[in-house]
Amino acid sequence: EDQVTQSPEALRLQEGESSSLNCSYTVSGLRGLFWYRQDPGKGPEFLFTLYSAGEEKEKERLKATLTKKESFLHITAPKPEDSATYLCAVQASAGTALIFGKGTTLSVSS
Amino acid sequence: GAVVSQHPSRVICKSGTSVKIECRSLDFQATTMFWYRQFPKQSLMLMATSNEGSKATYEQGVEKDKFLINHASLTLSTLTVTSAHPEDSSFYICSARVAGDSYEQYFGPGTRLTVT
Repeated sequence: EDQVTQSPEALRLQEGESSSLNCSYTVSGLRGLFWYRQDPGKGPEFLFTLYSAGEEKEKERLKATLTKKESFLHITAPKPEDSATYLCAVQASAGTALIFGKGTTLSVSS
Repeated sequence: GAVVSQHPSRVICKSGTSVKIECRSLDFQATTMFWYRQFPKQSLMLMATSNEGSKATYEQGVEKDKFLINHASLTLSTLTVTSAHPEDSSFYICSARVAGDSYEQYFGPGTRLTVT
Protein backbone atom coordinates (compact mmCIF):
# COMPACT_ATOMS: atom_id res chain seq x y z
CA GLU A 1 0.00 0.00 0.00
CA ASP A 2 1.28 3.47 -0.91
CA GLN A 3 2.05 5.45 2.20
CA VAL A 4 3.61 8.73 3.34
CA THR A 5 4.77 9.31 6.92
CA GLN A 6 6.00 12.64 8.22
CA SER A 7 7.97 13.23 11.40
CA PRO A 8 7.96 14.82 13.81
CA GLU A 9 4.29 15.76 14.11
CA ALA A 10 5.26 19.02 15.77
CA LEU A 11 8.53 20.88 16.08
CA ARG A 12 9.35 23.92 18.17
CA LEU A 13 12.46 25.90 17.33
CA GLN A 14 14.09 29.07 18.48
CA GLU A 15 14.76 31.67 15.84
CA GLY A 16 18.01 30.79 14.12
CA GLU A 17 17.98 27.16 15.26
CA SER A 18 18.30 25.02 12.11
CA SER A 19 16.56 21.65 11.83
CA SER A 20 15.08 19.12 9.40
CA LEU A 21 11.66 17.66 8.75
CA ASN A 22 11.37 14.09 7.50
CA CYS A 23 9.05 12.52 4.95
CA SER A 24 9.28 8.74 4.50
CA TYR A 25 7.41 7.15 1.65
CA THR A 26 6.48 3.77 0.26
CA VAL A 27 5.06 3.96 -3.24
CA SER A 28 4.86 1.76 -6.28
CA GLY A 29 6.89 3.86 -8.65
CA LEU A 30 7.52 7.47 -7.67
CA ARG A 31 6.55 10.08 -10.24
CA GLY A 32 7.27 13.02 -7.95
CA LEU A 33 7.52 14.17 -4.33
CA PHE A 34 6.06 17.51 -3.35
CA TRP A 35 6.46 19.84 -0.39
CA TYR A 36 3.78 22.34 0.55
CA ARG A 37 3.43 24.92 3.28
CA GLN A 38 0.02 25.50 4.84
CA ASP A 39 -0.89 28.39 7.10
CA PRO A 40 -3.98 28.13 9.34
CA GLY A 41 -7.21 28.71 7.43
CA LYS A 42 -5.49 28.74 4.03
CA GLY A 43 -4.83 26.35 1.21
CA PRO A 44 -1.42 24.68 0.82
CA GLU A 45 1.25 26.74 -0.91
CA PHE A 46 3.50 24.89 -3.34
CA LEU A 47 7.19 24.82 -2.36
CA PHE A 48 9.12 22.13 -4.23
CA THR A 49 8.90 19.16 -6.55
CA LEU A 50 11.58 16.45 -6.50
CA TYR A 51 11.63 13.72 -9.10
CA SER A 52 14.65 11.49 -8.54
CA ALA A 53 16.98 10.37 -5.76
CA GLY A 54 19.84 12.77 -5.22
CA GLU A 55 17.88 15.79 -6.36
CA GLU A 56 17.98 18.93 -4.22
CA LYS A 57 16.09 22.21 -4.43
CA GLU A 58 16.42 25.42 -2.44
CA LYS A 59 14.26 28.43 -1.76
CA GLU A 60 15.38 31.07 0.71
CA ARG A 61 15.89 29.26 4.05
CA LEU A 62 14.43 25.97 2.82
CA LYS A 63 16.22 23.11 1.12
CA ALA A 64 14.55 19.87 0.06
CA THR A 65 16.42 16.65 -0.64
CA LEU A 66 15.31 13.24 -1.88
CA THR A 67 16.53 9.66 -1.47
CA LYS A 68 14.88 6.44 -2.62
CA LYS A 69 12.94 6.14 0.64
CA GLU A 70 12.65 9.59 2.15
CA SER A 71 12.85 13.31 1.72
CA PHE A 72 14.10 15.98 4.07
CA LEU A 73 13.09 19.59 4.32
CA HIS A 74 15.99 21.45 5.89
CA ILE A 75 15.27 24.80 7.48
CA THR A 76 18.31 26.99 8.00
CA ALA A 77 18.19 29.80 10.57
CA PRO A 78 14.39 29.84 10.71
CA LYS A 79 12.41 32.96 11.47
CA PRO A 80 9.00 33.25 13.17
CA GLU A 81 7.35 33.74 9.78
CA ASP A 82 8.42 30.20 8.85
CA SER A 83 5.90 28.89 11.38
CA ALA A 84 3.37 26.77 9.50
CA THR A 85 2.40 23.20 8.76
CA TYR A 86 4.61 21.58 6.15
CA LEU A 87 2.99 18.87 4.06
CA CYS A 88 4.72 16.21 2.02
CA ALA A 89 2.94 14.40 -0.81
CA VAL A 90 3.90 11.84 -3.42
CA GLN A 91 2.63 11.07 -6.87
CA ALA A 92 2.67 7.33 -7.46
CA SER A 93 2.72 5.95 -10.95
CA ALA A 94 -0.37 3.85 -10.38
CA GLY A 95 -2.86 6.62 -9.66
CA THR A 96 -3.58 10.24 -10.37
CA ALA A 97 -4.08 11.68 -6.89
CA LEU A 98 -1.38 12.90 -4.54
CA ILE A 99 -0.88 10.90 -1.36
CA PHE A 100 -0.36 13.26 1.57
CA GLY A 101 1.38 12.82 4.87
CA LYS A 102 -0.23 14.23 7.99
CA GLY A 103 2.16 17.14 8.12
CA THR A 104 4.68 18.64 10.53
CA THR A 105 3.60 21.74 12.41
CA LEU A 106 6.57 24.03 12.89
CA SER A 107 6.60 26.80 15.48
CA VAL A 108 9.51 29.24 15.51
CA SER A 109 9.76 31.61 18.43
CA SER A 110 11.87 34.76 18.62
CA GLY B 1 2.10 32.03 -12.08
CA ALA B 2 -0.01 28.95 -11.24
CA VAL B 3 -2.71 30.75 -9.27
CA VAL B 4 -5.91 29.02 -8.22
CA SER B 5 -8.85 30.94 -6.82
CA GLN B 6 -11.89 29.78 -4.88
CA HIS B 7 -15.18 31.51 -4.30
CA PRO B 8 -16.61 32.10 -1.82
CA SER B 9 -13.94 32.08 0.87
CA ARG B 10 -16.56 31.71 3.60
CA VAL B 11 -20.20 30.69 3.49
CA ILE B 12 -22.81 30.14 6.15
CA CYS B 13 -25.99 28.35 5.13
CA LYS B 14 -29.00 26.80 6.76
CA SER B 15 -29.48 23.06 7.05
CA GLY B 16 -31.21 21.65 3.98
CA THR B 17 -29.98 24.25 1.52
CA SER B 18 -27.39 23.79 -1.23
CA VAL B 19 -24.10 25.61 -1.61
CA LYS B 20 -21.92 25.96 -4.70
CA ILE B 21 -18.16 26.52 -4.49
CA GLU B 22 -16.18 27.61 -7.54
CA CYS B 23 -12.56 26.77 -8.26
CA ARG B 24 -10.70 28.54 -11.06
CA SER B 25 -7.21 28.24 -12.44
CA LEU B 26 -6.37 31.84 -13.32
CA ASP B 27 -3.24 31.64 -15.43
CA PHE B 28 -3.03 28.07 -16.67
CA GLN B 29 -5.18 25.31 -18.06
CA ALA B 30 -6.01 22.42 -15.78
CA THR B 31 -7.20 19.19 -17.31
CA THR B 32 -7.56 17.73 -13.84
CA MET B 33 -8.89 19.33 -10.68
CA PHE B 34 -9.23 17.84 -7.23
CA TRP B 35 -11.50 18.57 -4.29
CA TYR B 36 -10.36 18.05 -0.73
CA ARG B 37 -11.91 18.37 2.67
CA GLN B 38 -9.94 19.25 5.77
CA PHE B 39 -11.02 18.99 9.39
CA PRO B 40 -9.26 21.00 12.13
CA LYS B 41 -5.72 19.87 12.79
CA GLN B 42 -5.97 17.09 10.22
CA SER B 43 -4.45 16.59 6.82
CA LEU B 44 -6.22 16.89 3.50
CA MET B 45 -8.78 14.25 2.60
CA LEU B 46 -9.32 13.76 -1.11
CA MET B 47 -13.00 13.77 -2.02
CA ALA B 48 -12.97 13.52 -5.79
CA THR B 49 -10.97 13.95 -8.96
CA SER B 50 -12.52 15.73 -11.90
CA ASN B 51 -11.36 15.78 -15.47
CA GLU B 52 -12.58 18.41 -17.88
CA GLY B 53 -15.58 17.20 -19.85
CA SER B 54 -16.07 13.94 -17.99
CA LYS B 55 -17.68 12.68 -14.81
CA ALA B 56 -15.83 13.05 -11.54
CA THR B 57 -14.27 10.08 -9.80
CA TYR B 58 -15.24 9.98 -6.14
CA GLU B 59 -13.21 8.48 -3.33
CA GLN B 60 -14.68 5.66 -1.31
CA GLY B 61 -17.19 6.88 1.24
CA VAL B 62 -17.92 10.19 -0.53
CA GLU B 63 -21.55 10.49 -1.62
CA LYS B 64 -21.61 11.60 -5.23
CA ASP B 65 -25.26 12.61 -5.04
CA LYS B 66 -24.49 14.91 -2.14
CA PHE B 67 -21.27 16.43 -3.45
CA LEU B 68 -21.91 17.30 -7.08
CA ILE B 69 -18.84 18.16 -9.11
CA ASN B 70 -18.84 19.79 -12.51
CA HIS B 71 -15.71 20.49 -14.55
CA ALA B 72 -17.12 22.35 -17.50
CA SER B 73 -13.96 23.99 -18.80
CA LEU B 74 -10.18 23.81 -18.50
CA THR B 75 -10.21 26.60 -15.92
CA LEU B 76 -13.35 26.01 -13.86
CA SER B 77 -14.63 23.30 -11.56
CA THR B 78 -17.54 23.59 -9.15
CA LEU B 79 -18.50 21.64 -6.06
CA THR B 80 -22.13 21.77 -4.96
CA VAL B 81 -22.99 20.53 -1.50
CA THR B 82 -26.63 19.53 -1.74
CA SER B 83 -29.03 19.47 1.20
CA ALA B 84 -26.26 20.52 3.54
CA HIS B 85 -26.26 19.39 7.15
CA PRO B 86 -24.15 20.57 10.11
CA GLU B 87 -21.82 17.59 9.70
CA ASP B 88 -20.90 18.95 6.25
CA SER B 89 -19.34 21.98 7.92
CA SER B 90 -15.67 21.90 7.01
CA PHE B 91 -12.85 23.54 5.06
CA TYR B 92 -13.07 22.65 1.37
CA ILE B 93 -10.00 23.10 -0.80
CA CYS B 94 -9.59 22.59 -4.52
CA SER B 95 -6.42 22.05 -6.47
CA ALA B 96 -5.57 22.08 -10.14
CA ARG B 97 -2.92 20.12 -11.95
CA VAL B 98 -0.98 21.82 -14.69
CA ALA B 99 -1.58 20.16 -18.04
CA GLY B 100 1.48 18.13 -19.00
CA ASP B 101 3.81 15.72 -17.27
CA SER B 102 4.91 17.63 -14.17
CA TYR B 103 2.14 16.35 -11.85
CA GLU B 104 2.44 19.59 -9.91
CA GLN B 105 -0.76 20.64 -8.20
CA TYR B 106 -1.61 24.13 -7.08
CA PHE B 107 -4.16 24.75 -4.39
CA GLY B 108 -6.86 27.32 -3.93
CA PRO B 109 -7.18 29.31 -0.71
CA GLY B 110 -10.05 27.18 0.56
CA THR B 111 -13.70 27.72 1.44
CA ARG B 112 -14.94 27.58 5.01
CA LEU B 113 -18.48 26.14 5.02
CA THR B 114 -20.62 26.43 8.13
CA VAL B 115 -24.05 24.81 8.13
CA THR B 116 -26.38 25.98 10.89
